[in-house]
Amino acid sequence: DGGITQSPKYLFRKEGQNVTLSCEQNLNHDAMYWYRQDPGQGLRLIYYSQIVNDFQKGDIAEGYSVSREKKESFPLTVTSAQKNPTAFYLCASSIGKGFAYEQYFGPGTRLTVT
Amino acid sequence: AQKITQTQPGMFVQEKEAVTLDCTYDTSDQSYGLFWYKQPSSGEMIFLIYQGSYDEQNATEGRYSLNFQKARKSANLVISASQLGDSAMYFCAMSAYNNNDMRFGAGTRLTVKP
Repeated sequence: DGGITQSPKYLFRKEGQNVTLSCEQNLNHDAMYWYRQDPGQGLRLIYYSQIVNDFQKGDIAEGYSVSREKKESFPLTVTSAQKNPTAFYLCASSIGKGFAYEQYFGPGTRLTVT
Repeated sequence: AQKITQTQPGMFVQEKEAVTLDCTYDTSDQSYGLFWYKQPSSGEMIFLIYQGSYDEQNATEGRYSLNFQKARKSANLVISASQLGDSAMYFCAMSAYNNNDMRFGAGTRLTVKP
């Protein structure tokens, strides 16, 4: 079955540590995205990538980094510079990047930093 | 800049009745797409329905239909014959030609009563 996998579902870290969230898709989609969701709010875009080895900042990129070395994979690193990292993180992909393409989402990773 | 507004934080509907979830949007682009997503308590975002700005017919997908009123910049989701499994958060989103980022509203929590 095609889809997007994110692991782990729950992640706990101590303040000051970097942590990497994985995102893998086997849909053969070109575009991939990372969103952050805080309680009771909508999604905010962190980074997106339209093609391998290329990515762009979204609205809230500060304190995050990404890589896109393979079409299938788009890992997100939450660095110690991110002031409030505790949140629900969703990865998504779409066939292309444009206003007519729906995005397909993974199950999400809930990160708690204490 | 694009903006999505969902004015109903919570809605209740009786099982088997229809319900309308409101969404208004703001954009200066002529070409754009409107999307609705469902987010159950598990957290995954599920794509429901898409409406393009040039589509003359309202989009329908099974029990979901989108009431698109372009002049009023509204894209309301109508769910017919509500089921208990429809209880979830619902997000309206938009992507525009000149700003490919998908913007999400704050969401509406729908509760279906037996």
